[in-house]
Amino acid sequence: NAGVTQTPKFQVLKTGQSMTLQCAQDMNHEYMSWYRQDPGMGLRLIHYSVGAGITDQGEVPNGYNVSRSTTEDFPLRLLSAAPSQTSVYFCASASTDTQYFGPGTRLTVL
Amino acid sequence: GESVGLHLPTLSVQEGDNSIINCAYSNSASDYFIWYKQESGKGPQFIIDIRSNMDKRQGQRVTVLLNKTVKHLSLQIAATQPGDSAVYFCAETEGGERWDMRFGAGTRLTVKP
Repeated sequence: NAGVTQTPKFQVLKTGQSMTLQCAQDMNHEYMSWYRQDPGMGLRLIHYSVGAGITDQGEVPNGYNVSRSTTEDFPLRLLSAAPSQTSVYFCASASTDTQYFGPGTRLTVL
Repeated sequence: GESVGLHLPTLSVQEGDNSIINCAYSNSASDYFIWYKQESGKGPQFIIDIRSNMDKRQGQRVTVLLNKTVKHLSLQIAATQPGDSAVYFCAETEGGERWDMRFGAGTRLTVKP
């Protein structure tokens, strides 16, 4: 039981490039979410999913897309990276109220 | 707007002392609260939670106190150890809406040997 896994751990992009951050969980949780964490700020919700085939926007969704084709996977896509998207990204999953977080992806956009 | 915040951004304690980390929230309808611990380079880790129908809950070396009158939450760590050094976040939500969970900015706890 690996919990929530994220890849890559680190990534550097140039402005305008696209990429996908991977997130997987093996706990059969219905709920999954993506957050970004910026210095001195709390976690902010980007997108979330309450089950396979269902996604919705969080607090800061602009510039990001998600899909949930399976219960296990919830990838986050950056369509055209911008320096403002430099951040640490966390994926989380939950079956009830408590969310369990992955180790994070540190993304730098130059 | 509604917000979750922390009174102090940093806290330094001596090993073996008790630590108290505070959190204020503004949404009077919030009914579920969580404390997370985040070590450097890692994701937040669940510590303890409390619902609004309680004012105190205890775990292993940790206690969470909830004062709904003044909308204040605290995390007490007994006999603080070097391994407790981390950033601690509070989070709150209303009606169990996980997608509406709001996080504070965090307090960095440093334990001096």
